[in-house]
Amino acid sequence: EIVMTQSPATLSVSPGEGATLSCRASQTVTTNLAWYQQKPGQAPRLLIFGASTRATGVPARFSGSGSGTEFTLTISSLQSEDFAVYYCQQYNEWPFSFGQGTTLEIK
Amino acid sequence: EVQLVESGGGLVQPGGSLRLSCAASGFTFANHWMHWVRQAPGRGPVWVSLTNTDGSISTYAESVKGRFTISRDNAKNTLYLQMNSLRAEDTAVYYCARSFGGYYDPWGQGTLVTVSS
Repeated sequence: EIVMTQSPATLSVSPGEGATLSCRASQTVTTNLAWYQQKPGQAPRLLIFGASTRATGVPARFSGSGSGTEFTLTISSLQSEDFAVYYCQQYNEWPFSFGQGTTLEIK
Repeated sequence: EVQLVESGGGLVQPGGSLRLSCAASGFTFANHWMHWVRQAPGRGPVWVSLTNTDGSISTYAESVKGRFTISRDNAKNTLYLQMNSLRAEDTAVYYCARSFGGYYDPWGQGTLVTVSS
């Protein structure tokens, strides 16, 4: 099973600043990598697929990059609604697997 | 509006059974592979099972293989998860999700399954 490792576990950032979240795969997943946002009491919401393609309706301040085993989610100019937990997921091979999440909190 | 609505969760004793349902609307259900994903409190999501468009293919996580059965009724636009021999470690929110080659969009709102005596 491919293990997905996210860092940091918690990131404290002030509104208006940018944030960079990392995700590492234990073996290559090419660009079969998605990012999700989850707010308390809600289901995860797709942000990015194919490592860098924004899902429908996702603001342009969210961008994804990377391939192989190293991936990054960048959020520019954080808005209040962006403070949440973010998960990466590989869908290159079964069983599809998720990272343990990065909590983005207000500094 | 594309929507997935789960139901059937609840409190069950170890060794018991539950059947979860996921009602789909707003899209052609029969055209999509569907998955179940669960999330224990405070943990990341974990893939549980998937089925192809006509239900002829199903795959399971090792932790549930032999105990859980995924199925679908395309005439009713509904996905199911039959869960038998439930264990405490199966306690989680269970989500159904529409798959696009492996990533999920959207997810249902989830249904909580609690296995406890």
